[in-house]
Order: sequence, then structure tokens, then C-alpha cells
Amino acid sequence: SQTIHQWPATLVQPVGSPLSLECTVEGTSNPNLYWYRQAAGRGLQLLFYSVGIGQISSEVPQNLSASRPQDRQFILSSKKLLLSDSGFYLCAWSVPGQIVYEQYFGPGTRLTVT
Amino acid sequence: DAKTTQPNSMESNEEEPVHLPCNHSTISGTDYIHWYRQLPSQGPEYVIHGLTSNVNNRMASLAIAEDRKSSTLILHRATLRDAAVYYCILREYSGGGADGLTFGKGTHLIIQP
Repeated sequence: SQTIHQWPATLVQPVGSPLSLECTVEGTSNPNLYWYRQAAGRGLQLLFYSVGIGQISSEVPQNLSASRPQDRQFILSSKKLLLSDSGFYLCAWSVPGQIVYEQYFGPGTRLTVT
Repeated sequence: DAKTTQPNSMESNEEEPVHLPCNHSTISGTDYIHWYRQLPSQGPEYVIHGLTSNVNNRMASLAIAEDRKSSTLILHRATLRDAAVYYCILREYSGGGADGLTFGKGTHLIIQP
């Protein structure tokens, strides 16, 4: 069966510090991968998605970047965090080519920028 | 993507059916209706989807109006574990489904014991 992992589960970082969040998927090959963010009291916002190694699409211009160095690994990064980067970060995957948008979400990372 | 409208919150009693409405008057003929839910402090999980016909699965039922301008997610017997935010999302099949989902504010379902 497929499993998605995210770490760390919680993170407190000062403004201006770098960020690296990692997501890995097990039990599937060549998944579509996604990063979402949920700010406090707001809905989920799609940040990036990837259809393959090295292929990243950005949905929202921001202080963040994403990379996919391996087929089932997706990394979210920032060189200098802002207070507005605080939120609940979720990684998700889906099966390529399916008609319906069935995405499987990880447990999330709660980031607090102080 | 076509816009959906959902009530901000609904309350129901445990072990009773729950009907969660969603209005999507600008839906196009190729838009699929998806429902997701998000339990507290967790990522969303897929619940059900449909195009034109009513659908049933182990989690819920989806009733789609004949003109497709509205739909209703039905939880047949709510439990406390069904307390979550429920999202109604429309997406057109884009030949790969690679791009992501647009989540609105959803309906916060409260279940009373």
C-alpha cells in the first residue's frame, strides 16, 4: 500500500532563517506531487506541483521554492523565512492520468515563524 | 474553475443522517464534483466524486441535481469522527489531473453526542 511521509511534524524558526521540509511517498512510482499551505483560519492554497523529477510548476509567486531530486521525494525550501510563511504545510500525491482529482495528503508540518 | 458555495457551518446529532449542500450554478458539462474532508490538524482526505449520476461508497453518498447546479453529500449515520471541514470542489478533467485542487472555505460540520 502507498504511504506518504512528511517531516518534521512541527517546526519553530526565526525570521530570516532557511527552511527545508521533506516529503516522501512509498509504494507507487512516478506520482504527481504537490505542496499546499494552510494559513491560520484560511483555506488550503496550492503552492507547487510536480509531474516528474526536476519538473516543478509554481502556482503562487512567493518566498518559497520546491525541488524533486528523486521520483518519490519532494522538498519545500526557503532561503529566508518571513512571518507570513507560518502555516500548516501539506504534501500530497496523486496517480498520473486519472480522471478524478483523488489526492492523498500527508500528515503535514506545522511551521511557526517567530 | 467553477465556483462552489457551501454553508460555513452545520450541526448534527450523532447517529443521525447529515446532508451537506453545495451550490455550483456555473458548473460546466465536463466538471467533476469532488468532496474532500479535513479532520482537525490533519490533511484533507478524499470522500467521493461524481459527474452526473448519484454515487455511493463506503464513506458517503453523493446526490447530484438533475441540472447539476447543486449537489449534496450524505453521511448516512454521523459519528463523532465525522466532525470535520467538508470541501466541495469542481474540476474539469485536464487529461492528466496533474494540477492541484482549489479548496474553498468548506463547511465546518459539528457533531453533537
